[in-house]
Amino acid sequence: DVKVTQSSRYLVKRTGEKVFLECVQDMDHENMFWYRQDPGLGLRLIYFSYDVKMKEKGDIPEGYSVSREKKERFSLILESASTNQTSMYLCASSYRFYGYTFGSGTRLTVV
Amino acid sequence: GIQVEQSPPDLILQEGANSTLRCNFSDSVNNLQWFHQNPWGQLINLFYIPSGTKQNGRLSATTVATERYSLLYISSSQTTDSGVYFCAVVPSNTGNQFYFGTGTSLTVIP
Repeated sequence: DVKVTQSSRYLVKRTGEKVFLECVQDMDHENMFWYRQDPGLGLRLIYFSYDVKMKEKGDIPEGYSVSREKKERFSLILESASTNQTSMYLCASSYRFYGYTFGSGTRLTVV
Repeated sequence: GIQVEQSPPDLILQEGANSTLRCNFSDSVNNLQWFHQNPWGQLINLFYIPSGTKQNGRLSATTVATERYSLLYISSSQTTDSGVYFCAVVPSNTGNQFYFGTGTSLTVIP
């Protein structure tokens, strides 16, 4: 089975800190995604990547950046964390658009 | 962008009951998937079903692409079925990302 691993389950950071969320997949998938999930809003796409060093903006990229230096790793970066970025962050990977597999999520609180 | 609407938003069932969850989408799609998010937050892919009908144990799904809807059937529900069910689609005209509905929250009581 494909495994998508997110480095932290819970994270608490201070306003203004630079935050790194890491995601690693073990099945050689080309596509990787970062979503945030908020009550009543469902899942919203922040960024995605089709290949190493490639990235595309999703629906809500403001305040975020990403890095994909290796195929298996996709990092989400909050340049200067703010309280409105408190959320559940979900990473996913896929071969094309089949078998979309999610990590277990990182619940980030910015205080 | 494409609109994805799920109904009902909330559902409470007695164990053993059957249910039908609906997903309507506003434009043509070339991919549709159903996901279950358990109470611990883990999202599991249930079905890849851009059209037709599929069954997996007590779960089945039907997508009528021409009428822009999909249904997820849960039979003989169990407490482990509790969680949030999401429908996600990839629009035919963009084809590069999933758009999620806001989900149906299911609670199965013993």
